[in-house]
Amino acid sequence: NAGVTQTPKFQVLKTGQSMTLQCAQDMNHEYMSWYRQDPGMGLRLIHYSVGAGITDQGEVPNGYNVSRSTTEDFPLRLLSAAPSQTSVYFCASSESGRGTDTQYFGPGTRLTVL
Amino acid sequence: AQTVTQSQPEMSVQEAETVTLSCTYDTSENNYYLFWYKQPPSRQMILVIRQEAYKQQNATENRFSVNFQKAAKSFSLKISDSQLGDTAMYFCAFIYNFNKFYFGSGTKLNVKP
Repeated sequence: NAGVTQTPKFQVLKTGQSMTLQCAQDMNHEYMSWYRQDPGMGLRLIHYSVGAGITDQGEVPNGYNVSRSTTEDFPLRLLSAAPSQTSVYFCASSESGRGTDTQYFGPGTRLTVL
Repeated sequence: AQTVTQSQPEMSVQEAETVTLSCTYDTSENNYYLFWYKQPPSRQMILVIRQEAYKQQNATENRFSVNFQKAAKSFSLKISDSQLGDTAMYFCAFIYNFNKFYFGSGTKLNVKP
């Protein structure tokens, strides 16, 4: 199993550009989520999904879109990048999202918006 | 609103000694889970230990144990016999019902030889 994979590992964008961060898992997990990690802060939940076709907002959803067309993939879209979105982004998955599940995290994507 | 607070931004400990990392949280929920995650310089998030709120017994995992005080909403992590490989950021996290995790701001632990 590859676990949770994220691409790209690094990305530099200009203000106003759009891009998609890719996340995939091969563990047949229903629950997937996106976090951002800023210096001096913990991970903050952006969006999550409890299964294909179902998504919901987390703590900091503004400026980001998600969709879940398959169980395996959960891409995160930045519609119009802003410097405030400079961060490290983590994707995670677990069987159902319950506290009894173990969350598996991807290696992260470091995004810089100039 | 659910909040998780880690008041120690950075700590140091000598190899083989014991260190305790603090975490407090705020919630009106009764049934929830608490976690400690480790993030080494590789950035990989690794689950260290999990505590279920309705269990009074403190969780332990080898050299890692917690002191869970539900009434005080406190959840500290004790690392015994510290090793160089324990050097990392440690995050306290909380989930109630399911789906939404809340993380603290982290404590950077430096284990010195």
